[in-house]
Amino acid sequence: AQSVSQHNHHVILSEAASLELGCNYSYGGTVNLFWYVQYPGQHLQLLLKYFSGDPLVKGIKGFEAEFIKSKFSFNLRKPSVQWSDTAEYFCAVTAYTGRRALTFGSGTRLQVQP
Amino acid sequence: DVKVTQSSRYLVKRTGEKVFLECVQDMDHENMFWYRQDPGLGLRLIYFSYDVKMKEKGDIPEGYSVSREKKERFSLILESASTNQTSMYLCASFYGGGKAGEQFFGPGTRLTVL
Repeated sequence: AQSVSQHNHHVILSEAASLELGCNYSYGGTVNLFWYVQYPGQHLQLLLKYFSGDPLVKGIKGFEAEFIKSKFSFNLRKPSVQWSDTAEYFCAVTAYTGRRALTFGSGTRLQVQP
Repeated sequence: DVKVTQSSRYLVKRTGEKVFLECVQDMDHENMFWYRQDPGLGLRLIYFSYDVKMKEKGDIPEGYSVSREKKERFSLILESASTNQTSMYLCASFYGGGKAGEQFFGPGTRLTVL
């Protein structure tokens, strides 16, 4: 069974600071990887995804993530955060075959101070 | 745009009551899921369904059941609600097409069991 670890539970940054949120997963086979974001009071929505190909993927709102297979990691980055990035961020993984449900990490609450 | 709707945003029930949470998607997706979201635990899979009348247990199915009589509708049932089922419940769907893909989420139902 797969599992996902997000080591940063609560991150506080000032506007314009750079962001990196860690995500590690455990699964021996081929995986699909996702970052979801939940803004206060809103639906969970997809930020970016990795299925195959270029391990550096770009998502919405200037976010990107890098898949490093040897480290089982899929860290999320943004060079300069804005107050509007305040949200909870979830990393998720699903195996390429078999059960198609997502396994989520515990989430990281990001607070950006103006 | 894919739309996933849930019957209630907020629900308050008494211990021992039978509770129905409804989810409807409008994109003819085969796969539907129920998760619960708790602080510090992320999202955990309760049940999922690959097709009409098909259901499979997720990671935390105890105390829950589901029903999928029509492709667009997936219901979560709490047979006898308990206080430890107080949580945010999220429904999701995706097409699938033979491999895992992006899931679309509903707005969630915040259930309080007194």
